[in-house]
Amino acid sequence: DGGITQSPKYLFRKEGQNVTLSCEQNLNHDAMYWYRQDPGQGLRLIYYSQIVNDFQKGDIAEGYSVSREKKESFPLTVTSAQKNPTAFYLCASSIDGTDRYEQYFGPGTRLTVT
Amino acid sequence: ILNVEQSPQSLHVQEGDSTNFTCSFPSSNFYALHWYRWETAKSPEALFVMTLNGDEKKKGRISATLNTKEGYSYLYIKGSQPEDSATYLCAFSNNAGNMLTFGGGTRLMVKP
Repeated sequence: DGGITQSPKYLFRKEGQNVTLSCEQNLNHDAMYWYRQDPGQGLRLIYYSQIVNDFQKGDIAEGYSVSREKKESFPLTVTSAQKNPTAFYLCASSIDGTDRYEQYFGPGTRLTVT
Repeated sequence: ILNVEQSPQSLHVQEGDSTNFTCSFPSSNFYALHWYRWETAKSPEALFVMTLNGDEKKKGRISATLNTKEGYSYLYIKGSQPEDSATYLCAFSNNAGNMLTFGGGTRLMVKP
């Protein structure tokens, strides 16, 4: 089955620790995205990548880092510099780098930092 | 940061009712408007991608219209069913640069 997988579904970390969220797709999509959702708010873009070895900051990139070494993988690291890391994180992909194609979403990772 | 507003925030309807909600976005430099349905415990799924002023799209009982000159899109559900209960998200793009801006969503609850 083609799709996007994110792991783990729930993640707990202590404050001050970096944590990496996994996102894998087997749709052969060029573009991948990371979003964050907080209660009562819409999805906000953290980072996106149009092609392997290239990525761009979204609206709320501070305290996060990404890599795109393989087409199918786009891991997100939440660093200790992120002031409010507790949130629901969604990964998505689309066919190419334009917004004329729908995005496909993974099931999400809920991160809790205490 | 672009302002994309959805109204109402939540909506309760009875099974069989038809309903509609609104997505408002900046009317300048329009590129694309997306609608997604997000059911609880599932991933958001695309309903429509609309790119031309006057676009009307339909999928079963759900349809959408687009007015780029005045900056709004309507989503209609005809004869709502309990399985239509979900949060409906719209997202706007003003260029081809991978920067979809999402609205806060409309949460629809359909009572049997």
